[in-house]
Amino acid sequence: GAGVSQSPSNKVTEKGKDVELRCDPISGHTALYWYRQRLGQGLEFLIYFQGNSAPDKSGLPSDRFSAERTGESVSTLTIQRTQQEDSAVYLCASSSNRDRAYEQYFGPGTRLTVT
Amino acid sequence: GQSLEQPSEVTAVEGAIVQINCTYQTSGFYGLSWYQQHDGGAPTFLSYNALDGLEETGRFSSFLSRSDSYGYLLLQELQMKDSASYFCAVLGDSWGKFQFGAGTQVVVTP
Repeated sequence: GAGVSQSPSNKVTEKGKDVELRCDPISGHTALYWYRQRLGQGLEFLIYFQGNSAPDKSGLPSDRFSAERTGESVSTLTIQRTQQEDSAVYLCASSSNRDRAYEQYFGPGTRLTVT
Repeated sequence: GQSLEQPSEVTAVEGAIVQINCTYQTSGFYGLSWYQQHDGGAPTFLSYNALDGLEETGRFSSFLSRSDSYGYLLLQELQMKDSASYFCAVLGDSWGKFQFGAGTQVVVTP
């Protein structure tokens, strides 16, 4: 089916505002991941959802960041009281199941700019 | 601490062979993946090594030595379209949690 989709593709927000980023994984993929990529840098792991298990939130940088997933479909990443250092591309990925976590399919990302 | 080291940039001509090394220091290790990312694009999966040795997929090969905490990606018969960033990523701390290197920019010249 279709690949991983993310919305919006670009988001400009003022410092202090909340933002919500959305990810639609590949249909049937049970695992979903969020990453942050700052300009010219590698990907930073944020959070991992696998089926109905408790998510691995160990990469969330502060309590301003949270994420939810509805069953095995859509996920939203919420950043509260945005700061300028939150400016980055936020990438979502999915994998078919837990066993294939090493092979992740990425969406096009949401470019977040905090002014 | 935990770290992945890879060169920041490699330049080569079309048709050449390029090797991108990755050394890692992580608290655990399940395996090493490689991803390609073109400018402005999404990362795409290239290969995965969980055991020592060489894995070959077309023009790309990946190698792992767990005892040396070292791996490499070999790009053969370079083409212009191979110009991109290449990231090594370790599944280490816990299954599903990747730690990515900073990426190697490969520049292919005519």
